Amino acid sequence: NAGVTQTPKFQVLKTGQSMTLQCAQDMNHNSMYWYRQDPGMGLRLIYYSASEGTTDKGEVPNGYNVSRLNKREFSLRLESAAPSQTSVYFCASSANSPLGQGYGYTFGSGTRLTVV
Amino acid sequence: GNSVTQMEGPVTLSEEAFLTINCTYTATGYPSLFWYVQYPGEGLQLLLKATKADDKGSNKGFEATYRKETTSFHLEKGSVQVSDSAVYFCALTDSWGKLQFGAGTQVVVTP
Repeated sequence: NAGVTQTPKFQVLKTGQSMTLQCAQDMNHNSMYWYRQDPGMGLRLIYYSASEGTTDKGEVPNGYNVSRLNKREFSLRLESAAPSQTSVYFCASSANSPLGQGYGYTFGSGTRLTVV
Repeated sequence: GNSVTQMEGPVTLSEEAFLTINCTYTATGYPSLFWYVQYPGEGLQLLLKATKADDKGSNKGFEATYRKETTSFHLEKGSVQVSDSAVYFCALTDSWGKLQFGAGTQVVVTP
């Protein structure tokens, strides 16, 4: 089925360890996004990629890096994990329109990350 | 900058009750408005959308009308079911399609 695939679904890290969250979409969407979801705070944008070859910081980029490997794939890396990064991470993609015609996003099912 | 404010939860209802979740926004220009739903243990799914003033989005018995004069996009359903228990997010996109969410409202429907 077409959609956004995230791996892994669950992960436990020790403080200071590194890891990469993978995301791939097969809808030929131009834009991809990484969000984190924390209780009472909704979803906050970490990084986004408006098109292949570009990445930009979102609301909460500190402690993260991203790579837009190709049009399909957008990875999120934690170089030195901290307990404050315990969260549920969602990847999303959208067929962007510069005219803002309201294309919604398609979300992956999330990665639940715990840093101890 | 843009922002989305929605009512705090949890909202607890009995089955077949009427549901309203308030959502207001501030934005420059003419954003598109969305409601997303997150069922337990799952990612977000688009529930409905409206792209211009006075548009009404609808899906699965849910409705929301884009009210530019009151900068609101309230979600309503006339008769909720237990299966509607979820977290509901109001959101808008700016002119470049970047989505901004409200904090989410948890809805709990009891039999």
